[in-house]
Amino acid sequence: GAVVSQHPSRVICKSGTSVKIECRSLDFQATTMFWYRQFPKQSLMLMATSNEGSKATYEQGVEKDKFLINHASLTLSTLTVTSAHPEDSSFYICSASPGQGHGVYEQYFGPGTRLTVT
Amino acid sequence: GNSVTQMEGPVTLSEEAFLTINCTYTATGYPSLFWYVQYPGEGLQLLLKATKADDKGSNKGFEATYRKETTSFHLEKGSVQVSDSAVYFCALSDREEKLTFGTGTRLTIIP
Repeated sequence: GAVVSQHPSRVICKSGTSVKIECRSLDFQATTMFWYRQFPKQSLMLMATSNEGSKATYEQGVEKDKFLINHASLTLSTLTVTSAHPEDSSFYICSASPGQGHGVYEQYFGPGTRLTVT
Repeated sequence: GNSVTQMEGPVTLSEEAFLTINCTYTATGYPSLFWYVQYPGEGLQLLLKATKADDKGSNKGFEATYRKETTSFHLEKGSVQVSDSAVYFCALSDREEKLTFGTGTRLTIIP
């Protein structure tokens, strides 16, 4: 149980275009979803926290107009990288939590999406 | 702020060898500590955790003890198997329940 999927697993896009990454909780309802970014040989950095039906909370330094997050249902959150540039190339990972009060160790992670902007 | 420093990899060991992956942390409060594992092509999975000083987390033969005096949470296993090959992440969370990760250590076990 507690499976989280991401789609696509890899995407290559041209500079200036937008790309959408989906994160789905397959067998549970996710009140909260998290989006992380990972550069080569670096930590996972939390970008934002999204709660179903409300606006995402972005971490300091993350441009909310560039990284649009939508958490429209209890099983789906999307991250859209708008007007992508080569410096946005990275590995994006989502996680999902069944709900508040369960503790942070209840985060279940997706396999990640490799974005390359040319 | 919070930070986690873990042993850089890659680490290559022979099957049945003893494993230690070092992890130290800096935190403003009293964090909970975690080890996550990522097998090839899969998402991160919680391997073990400890929520207070001197707690020992254990799972699948892996152990880590929360050492407040040395701000460490080193991962150990007495006899590794080929199936343990993966990337291991040390992490902490504070009262805000946000995870701060280390950079990850890639472990390869050769038969």
